[in-house]
Amino acid sequence: EDQVTQSPEALRLQEGESSSLNCSYTVSGLRGLFWYRQDPGKGPEFLFTLYSAGEEKEKERLKATLTKKESFLHITAPKPEDSATYLCAVRQSVNTPLVFGKGTRLSVIA
Amino acid sequence: DTGVSQNPRHKITKRGQNVTFRCDPISEHNRLYWYRQTLGQGPEFLTYFQNEAQLEKSRLLSDRFSAERPKGSFSTLEIQRTEQGDSAMYLCASRGDTEAFFGQGTRLTVV
Repeated sequence: EDQVTQSPEALRLQEGESSSLNCSYTVSGLRGLFWYRQDPGKGPEFLFTLYSAGEEKEKERLKATLTKKESFLHITAPKPEDSATYLCAVRQSVNTPLVFGKGTRLSVIA
Repeated sequence: DTGVSQNPRHKITKRGQNVTFRCDPISEHNRLYWYRQTLGQGPEFLTYFQNEAQLEKSRLLSDRFSAERPKGSFSTLEIQRTEQGDSAMYLCASRGDTEAFFGQGTRLTVV
């Protein structure tokens, strides 16, 4: 049973075309939802942590939001350098490992 | 560089050989995780250390896999009698109180 589902699997945007990535989760007792960026052949790079419904975090062109069932990663006016795979992960308790979705592969075309 | 360091970055080995990977975590982090990632998938949890104690192992971690973290510092992941299905990116992450930070991974190719 999938605990974390990301959609779409792949997204192609024109430079400047804003959009959102979705992460749905089914775990109970959420102790954090995490967004990472991963470039090809590299390890995931930490972006945001969200802990409670209604929380929002921003960094440059990225904004992450959280509800009780899903999180969105909004990308405003993306640039080609935003092209990467964006991974969502959840943690159920303090010491449990992160459970990842399969990621959304974003391509931003100039 | 004070991030998580993994060595080697790439490893090509023949089927049946043993391989060992090393992870040096961020120095003040007491939690260390190993994950495996295949193409088009998210990272999958393998095992977890808190200091030197191995507290959790995934059922993905077969008997051919062993991990250690002597003295709660660096960690090693050994795969014995490698199989082609072991080809993947092996990622190490360390964590203090909140976020986990990943290394650049070791890409294993079994031929």
